[in-house]
Amino acid sequence: DQQVKQNSPSLSVQEGRISILNCDYTNSMFDYFLWYKKYPAEGPTFLISISSIKDKNEDGRFTVFLNKSAKHLSLHIVPSQPGDSAVYFCAASGDSGAGSYQLTFGKGTKLSVIP
Amino acid sequence: SAVISQKPSRDICQRGTSLTIQCQVDSQVTMMFWYRQQPGQSLTLIATANQGSEATYESGFVIDKFPISRPNLTFSTLTVSNMSPEDSSIYLCSVEANIGNEQFFGPGTRLTVL
Repeated sequence: DQQVKQNSPSLSVQEGRISILNCDYTNSMFDYFLWYKKYPAEGPTFLISISSIKDKNEDGRFTVFLNKSAKHLSLHIVPSQPGDSAVYFCAASGDSGAGSYQLTFGKGTKLSVIP
Repeated sequence: SAVISQKPSRDICQRGTSLTIQCQVDSQVTMMFWYRQQPGQSLTLIATANQGSEATYESGFVIDKFPISRPNLTFSTLTVSNMSPEDSSIYLCSVEANIGNEQFFGPGTRLTVL
């Protein structure tokens, strides 16, 4: 059973427009959410995160929105740039009880920004 | 942030053989994690490697198949034993940031089993 779902495997957006990547989760114990970006042949790199006590976090062109009641989060990229073309993973974590925050990942969404 | 290196970066192996993947971090970290990403699948946690104790394995993964060593705070190895084509995947090690919940990932090891 997938606890973190990214239902869109791919997304194409024109350069300069907004990219919106969506993520849904089922485990109500998750209290911290992260987005990672992955280029081919490289490991995922951390992009932005949000705690469950917030509903929005902004960092430059990237904003993450969290709707706890809907168990839904989204990543907005404005304006989109060709260098943003990558696979974006949504991840969620909650205290496993050992003081370590193990991550559960979605399958990823491949974003293509068209010049 | 932590700088993580993995060896080998990729390998092609024969069925029934074993491969050991090394993960080196440029700073001392308490927790190291091993993940697998099979084609079209999520990143899946295999195990948590703690220094000085046995690794903790997730459901569906066992020590006989994926033995892990953690001899010190900067190094870990994952062995994929008795490989089959189903083990073809990218294997990534990661570490927790000392502050916050972010994790940093190595570049991955792309394994192909024939």
